[in-house]
Amino acid sequence: QKEVEQNSGPLSVPEGAIASLNCTYSDRVSQSFFWYRQYSGKSPELIMSIYSNGDKEDGRFTAQLNKASQYVSLLIRDSQPSDSATYLCAVNSGSARQLTFGSGTQLTVLP
Amino acid sequence: DVKVTQSSRYLVKRTGEKVFLECVQDMDHENMFWYRQDPGLGLRLIYFSYDVKMKEKGDIPEGYSVSREKKERFSLILESASTNQTSMYLCASSLQGTYNEQFFGPGTRLTVL
Repeated sequence: QKEVEQNSGPLSVPEGAIASLNCTYSDRVSQSFFWYRQYSGKSPELIMSIYSNGDKEDGRFTAQLNKASQYVSLLIRDSQPSDSATYLCAVNSGSARQLTFGSGTQLTVLP
Repeated sequence: DVKVTQSSRYLVKRTGEKVFLECVQDMDHENMFWYRQDPGLGLRLIYFSYDVKMKEKGDIPEGYSVSREKKERFSLILESASTNQTSMYLCASSLQGTYNEQFFGPGTRLTVL
């Protein structure tokens, strides 16, 4: 059974701080890793993809992947109240067409 | 940009009714998925399809069926709706390949009375 684990939170950070969201996965052959942002009542929106070890930066977002530790994280710098949402981690093994999703971490950025 | 659309944002049906939820994507994606999302249970895969007329069961297919007659269109059917099928239903699509990143539609909030 492939599993993706996230801290459920809720996680609260003050405006301007760095928010750190973590995800671990059980399938060692996983190849693709994604972070989705989901606002309350809305559908998930893909915000970051990462496929190789190391860091990938996109604006205020940085995804970090460590395949040896089976760990992927998302850092949000200069957090804004508009970043308040649930963040879903998703993993694909490459051999399967579907993604395995974590249960999500609820982030609140306090003004 | 990938666009995935769903036929309704909100739907209210009666117990025992047959319900059709439709999803259309405009990026020629091979794979299409139906999920339901409930508080505390996360995203659960109902069915997916990797080609026209092909379907595979996900984690919770009971009480649902699907149809994919055209590549861009994937329908979810509740043969006889029940109150425990009240949920947010999400459709997604992806291009077949190494990465399989999925793009979601806006969702349909279904209430069964």
